[in-house]
Amino acid sequence: DAKTTQPPSMDCAEGRAANLPCNHSTISGNEYVYWYRQIHSQGPQYIIHGLKNNETNEMASLIITEDRKSSTLILPHATLRDTAVYYCIVRAGGSQGNLIFGKGTKLSVKP
Amino acid sequence: GAVVSQHPSWVICKSGTSVKIECRSLDFQATTMFWYRQFPKQSLMLMATSNEGSKATYEQGVEKDKFLINHASLTLSTLTVTSAHPEDSSFYICSARDMTTEAFFGQGTRLTVV
Repeated sequence: DAKTTQPPSMDCAEGRAANLPCNHSTISGNEYVYWYRQIHSQGPQYIIHGLKNNETNEMASLIITEDRKSSTLILPHATLRDTAVYYCIVRAGGSQGNLIFGKGTKLSVKP
Repeated sequence: GAVVSQHPSWVICKSGTSVKIECRSLDFQATTMFWYRQFPKQSLMLMATSNEGSKATYEQGVEKDKFLINHASLTLSTLTVTSAHPEDSSFYICSARDMTTEAFFGQGTRLTVV
């Protein structure tokens, strides 16, 4: 079973920041938080991951709370092409652990 | 990011026949590959995990004799759906990673059994 909970859906206006929350209250000390997204009828796309520090790359920022029980994925300037299902997953680092997908959040970016 | 290529993108087959789906890691050596299945409006369900040169580990409820997985090299894994039936129609997705990279996914294969 997935170890994360996410809202089923969210809307965001084009050009605005999209903030996608994720709860992972049972996360273990060696587990990372991963974010993937899936655009309709395509394979999932890796976005970002982190352990305890906030992370930023060209796609998004990941903010992890100090107790690591929740995190937020931030798309700073959402575009229509960011409409997708976003999955938050916790997994042990290195070669351990599989990616177990929950139901994710359907983000709809509207003009 | 790393590239994982899956082939074919879609396939239609007759009930009772077998279908092979290929998954290749194009720019890295995949020590581990994963196969997922996704039914409409549902999330991805892990079917099996395979390490190069070893037998695949199947998730509970997945028939290993029906879904044959071969991971003979560090860049190629195949999934063969044997004696396919309409209920096997689904979106099949592979994923690959090495010891240090994140898992990257293929574009998926839409299987329709008629």
